[in-house]
Amino acid sequence: AQSVTQPDIHITVSEGASLELRCNYSYGATPYLFWYVQSPGQGLQLLLKYFSGDTLVQGIKGFEAEFKRSQSSFNLRKPSVHWSDAAEYFCAVVGSARQLTFGSGTQLTVLP
Amino acid sequence: DAMVIQNPRYQVTQFGKPVTLSCSQTLNHNVMYWYQQKSSQAPKLLFHYYDKDFNNEADTPDNFQSRRPNTSFCFLDIRSPGLGDAAMYLCATSSPDGADTQYFGPGTRLTVL
Repeated sequence: AQSVTQPDIHITVSEGASLELRCNYSYGATPYLFWYVQSPGQGLQLLLKYFSGDTLVQGIKGFEAEFKRSQSSFNLRKPSVHWSDAAEYFCAVVGSARQLTFGSGTQLTVLP
Repeated sequence: DAMVIQNPRYQVTQFGKPVTLSCSQTLNHNVMYWYQQKSSQAPKLLFHYYDKDFNNEADTPDNFQSRRPNTSFCFLDIRSPGLGDAAMYLCATSSPDGADTQYFGPGTRLTVL
């Protein structure tokens, strides 16, 4: 069965600094990978997704993620964080049962 | 804009009093999902519909039921809410894009008194 690990429970960065959120997955075949963001009291918003092709995918709000098969990783990056980026971020994979398996999430705090 | 809508956004019920949460979509997606999300946790899939075909997760309590009267609407019924059922309930739909990309509604926050 597939699984997703987000090793960082909580990350704090200063506004304007760069950001990288880590995600590692376990899945035997080519994965479909997603990053979602959740603001407090809200639903999940899709940031970006990887199906195939170019391993660097661009998303909304200036985010990008890179799929690295050799490292089983799909890390999310942003060159300059804004205060409005403070939220919880979930990495997820669609596996053989065509269901989303989520990581445990990374809470991002942005300092002024 | 095409979207997933959940009503109400906040629901308060009493211990043991049945409650129904509503989800509608204008995306015309054939798959709809219900998730339960407790504080500081990832969403947990309760069940999903592929068209009218209902699929229950093995560990979803019998207390939770669902109805999908048509493509656009899906309901979550909690027959006898307990204190442990207080959570955010998320509805999602997925598109037939080969990877079943899921699009989520804003959620309903359920409080059980």
